Amino acid sequence: KQEVTQIPAALSVPEGENLVLNCSFTDSAIYNLQWFRQDPGKGLTSLLLIQSSQREQTSGRLNASLDKSSGRSTLYIAASQPGDSATYLCAVDEAGANSKLTFGKGITLSVRP
Amino acid sequence: EPEVTQTPSHQVTQMGQEVILRCVPISNHLYFYWYRQILGQKVEFLVSFYNNEISEKSEIFDDQFSVERPDGSNFTLKIRSTKLEDSAMYFCASSNSGSFSDTQYFGPGTRLTVL
Repeated sequence: KQEVTQIPAALSVPEGENLVLNCSFTDSAIYNLQWFRQDPGKGLTSLLLIQSSQREQTSGRLNASLDKSSGRSTLYIAASQPGDSATYLCAVDEAGANSKLTFGKGITLSVRP
Repeated sequence: EPEVTQTPSHQVTQMGQEVILRCVPISNHLYFYWYRQILGQKVEFLVSFYNNEISEKSEIFDDQFSVERPDGSNFTLKIRSTKLEDSAMYFCASSNSGSFSDTQYFGPGTRLTVL
């Protein structure tokens, strides 16, 4: 059974710092990996999707990488801002007949002004 | 920008009552999903739906749950006899093609509280 792990559960950094959020998964048979942002009490906003054949994706200050064979992904946030404070979830779409996402528990990021 | 909407935002019900959670997926999307997130826990897949039938369901999605697309725009999740442990945030999602290169877009969620 696929397990997705995100450590640490929480992270606090000063504004302007570059940071890396980690995600690991146990079964490398995935079709893609997505990073989401969740604000308190809100829904999930998709940030980046990396297909299994890709190594990385970039959007603005965000860069996500995928190493499928080792079961790892990272989300790099450049020049962090207080507005980046949120919970960041990674999710894998497992290889199967239908798309379904398996989520990690998330990393709650706090960027201090 | 098109978005997935969900109503109500918060539903309070008594144990044993039936509830219907409603979702309006993005208009040209064909694949629909329900997930739930119990407070403090991971987001969990419940069910996927395509072409008016369930594509896949998790072991959580037992006989008390059902899904329906009653018309061309709505997608509903019905919980027949709610239990205390059904209290959670329920998210609807949709995707265009169901392809594995396709992003799933999530709604804001319905917080279900069972008393």
